[in-house]
Amino acid sequence: RKEVEQDPGPFNVPEGATVAFNCTYSNSASQSFFWYRQDCRKEPKLLMSVYSSGNEDGRFTAQLNRASQYISLLIRDSKLSDSATYLCVVNSGGYQKVTFGTGTKLQVIP
Amino acid sequence: NAGVTQTPKFRVLKTGQSMTLLCAQDMNHEYMYWYRQDPGMGLRLIHYSVGEGTTAKGEVPDGYNVSRLKKQNFLLGLESAAPSQTSVYFCASSYHSAGDLSGANVLTFGAGSRLTVL
Repeated sequence: RKEVEQDPGPFNVPEGATVAFNCTYSNSASQSFFWYRQDCRKEPKLLMSVYSSGNEDGRFTAQLNRASQYISLLIRDSKLSDSATYLCVVNSGGYQKVTFGTGTKLQVIP
Repeated sequence: NAGVTQTPKFRVLKTGQSMTLLCAQDMNHEYMYWYRQDPGMGLRLIHYSVGEGTTAKGEVPDGYNVSRLKKQNFLLGLESAAPSQTSVYFCASSYHSAGDLSGANVLTFGAGSRLTVL
């Protein structure tokens, strides 16, 4: 089993729709979690950290479920500019323990 | 404020040639990393550095060497390029260490270097 798994998609959704991605992780010792966004042929950029109690940033909501070992990202009122690949990142402590998922591709269509 | 700058952005090499990728950051970050990104795989850590003069191996270090002579620069070298090293290489830096579990360890990436080895 991969340490971090994501559905590669693509998720094709119309503008204004709500879409959710999940990311599962295998190491129960994982301590911190992030979502990064990567546009085509660009570098990853931090979208948001994921906190135990869940957190929201505008149209984006991130949640953590430690019991089931997954994190989620919910995007409301999708915009064309949200089209990108979303990378799940899990930190199990230590420099070699920052693990990136392969990403979920989102395409928002007019 | 340039952030993290990588050079070159593109390079084509022949098998057996050598080259160096340069990463420079102006954020006074202690921690720097080199990753490679291949289709269908997540970013994989090649080497990292926790401060000037120190380097360590990551997940996929074979065929690469690194140096951190100055705090702001982290160099990645390929001594004898192989087709398997065709990839997109990303440098990153962070203020907090990867061991920081508070969620503060945010990585800032450079724009990437696309390397093709023929």
